[in-house]
Amino acid sequence: DTAVSQTPKYLVTQMGNDKSIKCEQNLGHDTMYWYKQDSKKFLKIMFSYNNKELIINETVPNRFSPKSPDKAHLNLHINSLELGDSAVYFCASSLGLVSYEQYFGPGTRLTVT
Amino acid sequence: DAKTTQPPSMDCAEGRAANLPCNHSTISGNEYVYWYRQIHSQGPQYIIHGLKNNETNEMASLIITEDRKSSTLILPHATLRDTAVYYCIVRDDYKLSFGAGTTVTVRA
Repeated sequence: DTAVSQTPKYLVTQMGNDKSIKCEQNLGHDTMYWYKQDSKKFLKIMFSYNNKELIINETVPNRFSPKSPDKAHLNLHINSLELGDSAVYFCASSLGLVSYEQYFGPGTRLTVT
Repeated sequence: DAKTTQPPSMDCAEGRAANLPCNHSTISGNEYVYWYRQIHSQGPQYIIHGLKNNETNEMASLIITEDRKSSTLILPHATLRDTAVYYCIVRDDYKLSFGAGTTVTVRA
């Protein structure tokens, strides 16, 4: 049983396309996150949702739009993809906003050509 | 954005203890120190966290200096599977801000 799952694992697409990455957690957690890890391996938080409410929205282009249909899911939709969007995107979840442990998914490697 | 400083890399012999240092001289009184690790091609994994006291769990021990300006993560008996990037993080509100971390290579 995978705690935090992401689909797809790999995504190759062309500039200008729109794509979505899905995340699901079966841990019963209230809080979910999206992180981006670039080619230099720096991991940066993008968004955080708590009980389907947006809590953290870092300086991310508005081409990125998270959507949380329920507490167990947090999807990431990206419009008009650019070369610089190529990265590994990680979803994570935690019991609550101040929980000490975040559980990360396996990542989605996005390549924009 | 990271409030911590770690050595970029270190080697460790299999079966020996690995001591990973971290400086966080600007830490404030209510900020916790967290350690995560990221094994190649996987998502980060929580290891341990602490505020003032030393902490131990099944994975590691965390030693925090009395002035809280630095800490050391100890992997008591390193195995090849402990090869990973280890991140020391001072939590900022609801965010975990990952720095560059320390690449630990455990050698047989």
